[in-house]
Amino acid sequence: GAGVSQSPRYKVAKRGQDVALRCDPISGHVSLFWYQQALGQGPEFLTYFQNEAQLDKSGLPSDRFFAERPEGSVSTLKIQRTQQEDSAVYLCASSLEPFGRGGGETQYFGPGTRLLVL
Amino acid sequence: KQEVTQIPAALSVPEGENLVLNCSFTDSAIYNLQWFRQDPGKGLTSLLLIQSSQREQTSGRLNASLDKSSGRSTLYIAASQPGDSATYLCAVKLDTGFQKLVFGTGTRLLVSP
Repeated sequence: GAGVSQSPRYKVAKRGQDVALRCDPISGHVSLFWYQQALGQGPEFLTYFQNEAQLDKSGLPSDRFFAERPEGSVSTLKIQRTQQEDSAVYLCASSLEPFGRGGGETQYFGPGTRLLVL
Repeated sequence: KQEVTQIPAALSVPEGENLVLNCSFTDSAIYNLQWFRQDPGKGLTSLLLIQSSQREQTSGRLNASLDKSSGRSTLYIAASQPGDSATYLCAVKLDTGFQKLVFGTGTRLLVSP
């Protein structure tokens, strides 16, 4: 079956532009995560959705970052007024179960969107 | 704040060698620890998951150990192959608050034929 897909795979933006990154999770997966991976670093948690509810957004670096999952399936990560420090790979992951104690352990990752802000 | 460190940052070995990757974390209050593999341009794939009450997990040529009290985990790869070349990441799942995954910086492994 299809895995997690992300689009676009690559995005070049001029500083100050707004960008929207899309994630299509595995059908039926309850949990959806966004991570930011800077060059040479491990992924850093941004936000978590359980169905359409955004249960944690503590990792979003600033109010320029906004994520939504309105129908509990596809999710969009939007970055307003992009800055050079936003350049990174943005990874999306989904999990069948709600995340928490004993649940959602297996996260399926998409290939990521590589964002370059000039 | 939980911090996860991986040593070495990069490793190059000839095919057939046994090798050990190290992961350390600063806060022992973890729920579990996972080792992931990341290939260039691709997402992460989970290799092994060790619950906080466990000491080790094995899958094929891979063996991961966990010493929670000392804040350390190792990934042992036996008889390395060129196909093992990838970046290996460890991640701890927090045991308090929102149990997000905290990743290490990774070890980039190159196994040459």
